[in-house]
Amino acid sequence: DTAVSQTPKYLVTQMGNDKSIKCEQNLGHDTMYWYKQDSKKFLKIMFSYNNKELIINETVPNRFSPKSPDKAHLNLHINSLELGDSAVYFCASSRGAAGARTEAFFGQGTRLTVV
Amino acid sequence: QQQVKQSPQSLIVQKGGISIINCAYENTAFDYFPWYQQFPGKGPALLIAIRPDVSEKKEGRFTISFNKSAKQFSLHIMDSQPGDSATYFCAASMAAGNKLTFGGGTRVLVKP
Repeated sequence: DTAVSQTPKYLVTQMGNDKSIKCEQNLGHDTMYWYKQDSKKFLKIMFSYNNKELIINETVPNRFSPKSPDKAHLNLHINSLELGDSAVYFCASSRGAAGARTEAFFGQGTRLTVV
Repeated sequence: QQQVKQSPQSLIVQKGGISIINCAYENTAFDYFPWYQQFPGKGPALLIAIRPDVSEKKEGRFTISFNKSAKQFSLHIMDSQPGDSATYFCAASMAAGNKLTFGGGTRVLVKP
């Protein structure tokens, strides 16, 4: 049983389109995240949610809108996709309010390619 | 401005050798320093972590050395194996934060 699962694993789309990535965790964690990994493998936080509430929005363009319908889900919707959005997007979760100081469990990633 | 700097970017080591990866941080509020291992096509997974009240932590073949005064920490992989070939990321976080700040990653290749 996958702890943090993301769908889809691959996403190829044209510039200007809108797309969503879904994430679910079955670990009972309170905190969920979206990280972006660029072509040079650099990992950077995008959003952090704790109990469905947005905690961190790391200067991400407004075209990116996370939504947490419940504690176990954190989806990412991207409007008007641009070439520079091409990257691997990772969902992660960790327990507790200070979740970043405990183990973070990552999903397998969604490779987004914008053409 | 990169808050956690990692070196080298890549590393080739012979089977049985020692891999050493170094990280330096700026923010003295960081108080948790994990290392993550990432295989191609997979998400990062926690390998080992340390808090600044200890100078060294060992788990099997993996050891973190921590130097608080120098604001540096390093990962040593002893008796490196081909299965250790992966990208390794150091990271840091703080009590007041809700995120991991990652270093740039080190691609390790262990040759048989």
